[in-house]
Amino acid sequence: DQQVKQNSPSLSVQEGRISILNCDYTNSMFDYFLWYKKYPAEGPTFLISISSIKDKNEDGRFTVFLNKSAKHLSLHIVPSQPGDSAVYFCAASAWSGGSNYKLTFGKGTLLTVNP
Amino acid sequence: DTEVTQTPKHLVMGMTNKKSLKCEQHMGHRAMYWYKQKAKKPPELMFVYSYEKLSINESVPSRFSPECPNSSLLNLHLHALQPEDSALYLCASSQARQGNEQFFGPGTRLTVL
Repeated sequence: DQQVKQNSPSLSVQEGRISILNCDYTNSMFDYFLWYKKYPAEGPTFLISISSIKDKNEDGRFTVFLNKSAKHLSLHIVPSQPGDSAVYFCAASAWSGGSNYKLTFGKGTLLTVNP
Repeated sequence: DTEVTQTPKHLVMGMTNKKSLKCEQHMGHRAMYWYKQKAKKPPELMFVYSYEKLSINESVPSRFSPECPNSSLLNLHLHALQPEDSALYLCASSQARQGNEQFFGPGTRLTVL
């Protein structure tokens, strides 16, 4: 059972426009959410995160919105740049006891930003 | 230093070989992780080490054997692997009390023949 879902396998936008990537989750025990960016043959790079006690977090061109009641989060990239083209993974964290946290990843969305 | 390094970048091994993957970080993180990622799939957690002790094993077959020699190093020993074990193996680290924010290495691309 997939607990973190990214229902759009791919997204294509024009340079300078807004990219909106969506993520849904089912487990109410998740209390922290992250977005990672991944280029081919590289490890995921941490982008931005949000705690479940907040509904928005902004870092430069990247903003993450969390709607806890809908169990939905989204990543907005404004303005989009060709270098943003990559696979974006949504991840959710749950405490597993002691100092252990487990990340559960979505399947990823391939973002292509066209010049 | 905000980097997690992994060696080798690529590894090809036969089913009877024994090999090891290595991971290193110098961020003072006391939690380290091994993930496996197959093509077009998300990373899947294999093991978690917290303060150099194995704290989570996600029912990984015994042909994968993790080791944490010290707080900066994490190894994954491989023996008698199967072709279906071919994948990208990712190492990550985090503050022990902020295991939410994990920083990943570039991965080792493993091919089992």
